Amino acid sequence: ETGVTQSPTHLIKTRGQQVTLRCSSQSGHNTVSWYQQALGQGPQFIFQYYREEENGRGNFPPRFSGLQFPNYSSELNVNALELDDSALYLCASSLVGTGGLWDYGYTFGSGTRLTVV
Amino acid sequence: SQQGEEDPQALSIQEGENATMNCSYKTSINNLQWYRQNSGRGLVHLILIRSNEREKHSGRLRVTLDTSKKSSSLLITASRAADTASYFCATVSQGGSEKLVFGKGTKLTVNP
Repeated sequence: ETGVTQSPTHLIKTRGQQVTLRCSSQSGHNTVSWYQQALGQGPQFIFQYYREEENGRGNFPPRFSGLQFPNYSSELNVNALELDDSALYLCASSLVGTGGLWDYGYTFGSGTRLTVV
Repeated sequence: SQQGEEDPQALSIQEGENATMNCSYKTSINNLQWYRQNSGRGLVHLILIRSNEREKHSGRLRVTLDTSKKSSSLLITASRAADTASYFCATVSQGGSEKLVFGKGTKLTVNP
């Protein structure tokens, strides 16, 4: 299967609830990253997983957590949702080798639009 | 925090014209990438330029990189209405993870 798929596409949650977003990486990719994009802004890096280990984290609190599975699919979990968590959440995968990122960059999914009310 | 700053924030041109977008960044980079985003959907990778490269072409796209000025430009030639989108530059810093640090983007409108 080619491309990155994310589910669900849209989600409405209540403040204080917990949410799990899912991502299926492109076949052959070993790295997955999650980004949060607020309206009118560029995406902000949340964290990255490389071969199931966290490999970098942005300026997000611990209530944002993630997992990468052996088949390179991934989850983003957010606990104790706040109104400011409303955003588009993007998953991106790539193949990173010893020479770094390949020339085709990251492949992004279409995102999950999360609304916290 | 944002690394890059795209300029202009918004650009409106006629079909057939060229569109130039600029990006400035703050830290030393490993590579710089340009992405396109249609209407709040996923991002599409356009081109990657490494820190030891000065210019790169892909179809109607031309990207330049000036590491001494910490800036890059994206030129889209002979624009089409389908090029209407937001364009983001994203940098990967030297060392550490291959995380992307994005600017706020340039919203390009190509009028038919």
